[in-house]
Amino acid sequence: QKEVEQDPGPLSVPEGAIVSLNCTYSNSAFQYFMWYRQYSRKGPELLMYTYSSGNKEDGRFTAQVDKSSKYISLFIRDSQPSDSATYLCAMTLEGTYKYIFGTGTRLKVLA
Amino acid sequence: EPEVTQTPSHQVTQMGQEVILRCVPISNHLYFYWYRQILGQKVEFLVSFYNNEISEKSEIFDDQFSVERPDGSNFTLKIRSTKLEDSAMYFCASGGTGSQPQHFGDGTRLSIL
Repeated sequence: QKEVEQDPGPLSVPEGAIVSLNCTYSNSAFQYFMWYRQYSRKGPELLMYTYSSGNKEDGRFTAQVDKSSKYISLFIRDSQPSDSATYLCAMTLEGTYKYIFGTGTRLKVLA
Repeated sequence: EPEVTQTPSHQVTQMGQEVILRCVPISNHLYFYWYRQILGQKVEFLVSFYNNEISEKSEIFDDQFSVERPDGSNFTLKIRSTKLEDSAMYFCASGGTGSQPQHFGDGTRLSIL
């Protein structure tokens, strides 16, 4: 079983839709959870950073962590064509600072 | 907004040659990292660096690789005797503390011929 699993997509949605992106993980020792956006030929850009279970909101983005189910989500409200990118989840194990990434989900928001 | 900068953006090298990839982390950050992303695969951790020494490294980071912070601003990754399978995007990242989120540069695309 992979440490971090993420549906690769592509996921196509119309402009204005609510997008839900998800990652599951197998190790309950993961403690910090991040979401990054990566445009083609660019580096990962930090969107959200969470530690505890629950929701964290920043503008159109909401990150959700459910440690009991080993499941994290990123919701994008009022999606825009400029949101078209690959979304990466990343997490760290207790006692280490190295990030373990999911494979990324390609999102296309259609105008 | 402060950012991590990487040079060159694209490096083409003959197999067996040595390459040095350069990074300028965010100025007040203390933790530095290298990751790589082979085309079509996920981003993989290579090494972390703090207080002028390696704090953690992956199985990928063998004797072929080395890192250095030669001065107060640069952070370099050296790959000796490059192989075809070293072709990838190499990302540098930095963080204020170990637990603060890491900020990534736009990467160096390394092509080994």
